[in-house]
Amino acid sequence: GENVEQHPSTLSVQEGDSAVIKCTYSDSASNYFPWYKQELGKGPQLIIDIRSNVGEKKDQRIAVTLNKTAKHFSLHITETQPEDSAVYFCAASVYGAGNTPLVFGKGTRLSVIA
Amino acid sequence: DAGITQSPRHKVTETGTPVTLRCHQTENHRYMYWYRQDPGHGLRLIHYSYGVKDTDKGEVSDGYSVSRSKTEDFLLTLESATSSQTSVYFCAIGTSRTDTQYFGPGTRLTVL
Repeated sequence: GENVEQHPSTLSVQEGDSAVIKCTYSDSASNYFPWYKQELGKGPQLIIDIRSNVGEKKDQRIAVTLNKTAKHFSLHITETQPEDSAVYFCAASVYGAGNTPLVFGKGTRLSVIA
Repeated sequence: DAGITQSPRHKVTETGTPVTLRCHQTENHRYMYWYRQDPGHGLRLIHYSYGVKDTDKGEVSDGYSVSRSKTEDFLLTLESATSSQTSVYFCAIGTSRTDTQYFGPGTRLTVL
């Protein structure tokens, strides 16, 4: 089955700097890659996702890139702010005829230092 | 939280007792999922449902059962709770039209 590795497990950046979180996946059939942000005491919140027919996607300060050949994808946050501090999870799934279970990485705790 | 509620939000129970967690959605989504979150493990799939009375096992299904008698409710039951089932449990929902999943607020379960 699918295995998703996520690095680093913790990341500290100065406010205004960029943050990059990387994930690799094992199943070449995976075609959907979401990123979730989880604040303390809350459920994961979808912040951006990418599908295998796209190499890059941006939404304001957040971007995700996908390299299907190498089977890795990354989350990029620019101009970080204290409110970006949270745990971030990457995930992968094989979307076909319907919604399918996600396989998650173990998470990255991002701390933005003011 | 995309019209998803989980109850209870917190529960403390003793080893050997049965526990049922409830996920309720108002989105009329076909797919519902139960994941557990543990430090160092991320989120792992317990069971999921692809329609009323249609369920399947996930990666960590041992010790858990589920039921879905109507679209809006998905129940997770621990028949005889063990300390290894102390965790935070999240419900998620999704439609058949997209691959997106939305998560509920979670239930923190402690088994003493």
